[in-house]
Amino acid sequence: SQQGEEDPQALSIQEGENATMNCSYKTSINNLQWYRQNSGRGLVHLILIRSNEREKHSGRLRVTLDTSKKSSSLLITASRAADTASYFCATDPLYNFNKFYFGSGTKLNVKP
Amino acid sequence: DAMVIQNPRYQVTQFGKPVTLSCSQTLNHNVMYWYQQKSSQAPKLLFHYYDKDFNNEADTPDNFQSRRPNTSFCFLDIRSPGLGDAAMYLCATSRDSNTGVGNQPQHFGDGTRLSIL
Repeated sequence: SQQGEEDPQALSIQEGENATMNCSYKTSINNLQWYRQNSGRGLVHLILIRSNEREKHSGRLRVTLDTSKKSSSLLITASRAADTASYFCATDPLYNFNKFYFGSGTKLNVKP
Repeated sequence: DAMVIQNPRYQVTQFGKPVTLSCSQTLNHNVMYWYQQKSSQAPKLLFHYYDKDFNNEADTPDNFQSRRPNTSFCFLDIRSPGLGDAAMYLCATSRDSNTGVGNQPQHFGDGTRLSIL
């Protein structure tokens, strides 16, 4: 399978704390994207980082990418109860256009 | 608002009875995807269309087929649903990937949850 792995599988934190999720993947990529999924809903795109970038920020989100280790991390700072959701990384394999492979996801619970 | 709409949100069918799920988009994206997502698992790509060009994943069962009559609509047909096909089915769209740059972000519908009796 070309799908990646994410850890932790589940994360429970208090509101205001930071949440870090990690993603590892298997093949060389063009870019890596992070998505969020609320229970029973579709996925929502959060951020895209290209293979030649090492770090990217968007609001309270910070994403890093280490292509030598085939890994990425998503940091959510100052978490809110509304951040409670599952978070997935999706890789875009090199030379395999218009295909995405999702990681196993991290289920984040932010307690008020 | 431009969006991806899946109908119905919930679908119940009988074991072995063909079922069709539908997806429409107002984003005018030329790529459309179908994913299967089982409980607490990652979405699994079944196939995608680049315009009318159909691209099947190697491990997608023959029981699953798709049609894309025009840019806006895409259908997922399950010819003989088995109990193992109970899942959430997600449709997504994106602009065409850029050579050397990679895929564009996907826009997802809210899915159809399929139950098999």
